[in-house]
Amino acid sequence: DAGVIQSPRHEVTEMGQEVTLRCKPISGHNSLFWYRQTMMRGLELLIYFNNNVPIDDSGMPEDRFSAKMPNASFSTLKIQPSEPRDSAVYFCASSPPLGSPNQPQHFGDGTRLSIL
Amino acid sequence: AQTVTQSQPEMSVQEAETVTLSCTYDTSESDYYLFWYKQPPSRQMILVIRQEAYKQQNATENRFSVNFQKAAKSFSLKISDSQLGDAAMYFCAPHSGGSNYKLTFGKGTLLTVNP
Repeated sequence: DAGVIQSPRHEVTEMGQEVTLRCKPISGHNSLFWYRQTMMRGLELLIYFNNNVPIDDSGMPEDRFSAKMPNASFSTLKIQPSEPRDSAVYFCASSPPLGSPNQPQHFGDGTRLSIL
Repeated sequence: AQTVTQSQPEMSVQEAETVTLSCTYDTSESDYYLFWYKQPPSRQMILVIRQEAYKQQNATENRFSVNFQKAAKSFSLKISDSQLGDAAMYFCAPHSGGSNYKLTFGKGTLLTVNP
């Protein structure tokens, strides 16, 4: 049973460039979450989707960040333009349907993003 | 909004000994769930144990158990017979039920296991 798949695993790019992070949730999971992890702020929820619809994007830092979920098996998190302070590890997680909150979120291996 | 406090930034334990990691939280929900996640150096986030707030019995998962004190809003993790592979960052994460499906993570406790 494949877990949550994120790509790329590492990304190094220059300031001002567009960055796209990708996530494939576990089949059958209809909730998807994007997190950012930094030393200073810990693990922060950026946005989550239910049935491909964004439910809460209050954690998205600013307009440079956008997330989409065009179908049940794919989501992207885009940063445009990127800045050095965006450097972090970005995690995607998925979980079974809402109404099953005792089911844990399953995390991908994360994308380590470095903006030079 | 929920807040989570892990008051021990770092802990260490001798192999085969027992260690307890503390976590307190604040929530206005009456029905919720709590999780401990482990993040080893590989940076994977791995579920360790879960607890339903409505259950009085403390959850146990092999060498891992919790001490859940609902009135005190305390959710500590006990690791028995510590192994070298237990070395990791541990995060406490309460989750509210209902329509709010967010996990709120603490800052984490870095556990070192000494041989």
